[in-house]
Amino acid sequence: DIVMTQSPDSLAVSLGERATINCKSSQSVLATSNNVNYLTWYQQKPGQPPKLLIHWASTREFGVPDRFSGSGSGTDFTLTISSLQAEDVAVYYCQQYYSTPLTFGGGTRVEIK
Amino acid sequence: EVQLVESGGAMVQPGGSLRLSCAASGFTFSSYAMNWVRQAPGKGLEWVSGIRGGGDGTSYADSVKGRFTISRDNSENTLFLQMNSLRGDDTAVYFCARSSDLQYYYYMDVWGKGTTVTVSS
Repeated sequence: DIVMTQSPDSLAVSLGERATINCKSSQSVLATSNNVNYLTWYQQKPGQPPKLLIHWASTREFGVPDRFSGSGSGTDFTLTISSLQAEDVAVYYCQQYYSTPLTFGGGTRVEIK
Repeated sequence: EVQLVESGGAMVQPGGSLRLSCAASGFTFSSYAMNWVRQAPGKGLEWVSGIRGGGDGTSYADSVKGRFTISRDNSENTLFLQMNSLRGDDTAVYFCARSSDLQYYYYMDVWGKGTTVTVSS
């Protein structure tokens, strides 16, 4: 199974400042056949289901604000919130879909400083 | 409107069984693989199982293999999860989630609100 490790577990960022979340996979999720990373990011607010933010490591889902961006390749990935807004307070998860079982990172809680 | 609505969650004793359902609407159900994902109280997300759009392939997490069975009725636009030999660590909110593809489980672009399963004596 591919193990996904997120860091930090939590972070507090001032409104308008940048938040950076890291995700590392135990093996590469880059498919050499099509040079695509099988990595996605979700946002989960309290009492709600997860919401898809980014897929293929860097493709923003329709309707997701452009302050959210994903980057990285192979085993190391980053979710960046360029200017944190109050509504961004949530837990963020990465997930690999390179192979089954699909696996998630442990989550990163983002709060306002 | 694309929608997934789970039902069937309940409190059950250890060793018991439960069947979850997920009613889909607003999209061509048979064109998408579907998944169950669970979240234990205060914990992260765990993928439980997936099934291809045609129902011709399934996959399970090791933690539920041999105890849980995923199935679907494309004529009724409904996904199921039969859960047997339930244990305390199966206690969780169970989400139904649509995959972005017919054949592969990939990322999950539509989620239900979840149904709660509690395993306790």
